[in-house]
Amino acid sequence: KNEVEQSPQNLTAQEGEFITINCSYSVGISALHWLQQHPGGGIVSLFMLSSGKKKHGRLIATINIQEKHSSLHITASHPRDSAVYICAVRPRFIFARGGGADGLTFGKGTHLIIQP
Amino acid sequence: NAGVTQTPKFRVLKTGQSMTLLCAQDMNHEYMYWYRQDPGMGLRLIHYSVGEGTTAKGEVPDGYNVSRLKKQNFLLGLESAAPSQTSVYFCASSYSSQGGGVAKNIQYFGAGTRLSVL
Repeated sequence: KNEVEQSPQNLTAQEGEFITINCSYSVGISALHWLQQHPGGGIVSLFMLSSGKKKHGRLIATINIQEKHSSLHITASHPRDSAVYICAVRPRFIFARGGGADGLTFGKGTHLIIQP
Repeated sequence: NAGVTQTPKFRVLKTGQSMTLLCAQDMNHEYMYWYRQDPGMGLRLIHYSVGEGTTAKGEVPDGYNVSRLKKQNFLLGLESAAPSQTSVYFCASSYSSQGGGVAKNIQYFGAGTRLSVL
């Protein structure tokens, strides 16, 4: 089982719709990141959060540590929001999974298309 | 500001050939990372560095070597390329990884290097 699961994998919506992308994880974490990957391939960090809620423009990210769940919301969606949205976590006990001490564990991403 | 710059952007290799991918950052970041991205999989950490002269293995280090001789540069080497190393490679950097405030933990990514090994 992947440590980070995102849903849906693909989402197509009409311009103006409210978008929700979900991220569930199975390990204790110290932080969760949301990233955006544009069609050209570039990756941009949107949010990093360890509790509560953050807002930036039309983007809102929430996290529930007890439920091990985070959501990314986009209000008044626009075609320029079309991208792959990636959830990543920094596990609290990284040595147990045998990975690097400082890297993130990434979800597979949600491919979002906003149609005009 | 250039941010994080990766060279080359594209490369095609034959099996057994070697090459080096260069990552340069101009933000004075301590931490640098190399990831690979494959279809249907999330980004996976290859190697990382917490400072000049130090490197460490990530999740998928086999077949790769790295060096951090200068703080601003992080090199990823493939000594004998294999078709399984066909992927898109991303470099990233950050001030730190934990603590020190949220802004210091944000990772900044390069544009990626698309590598095909035939």
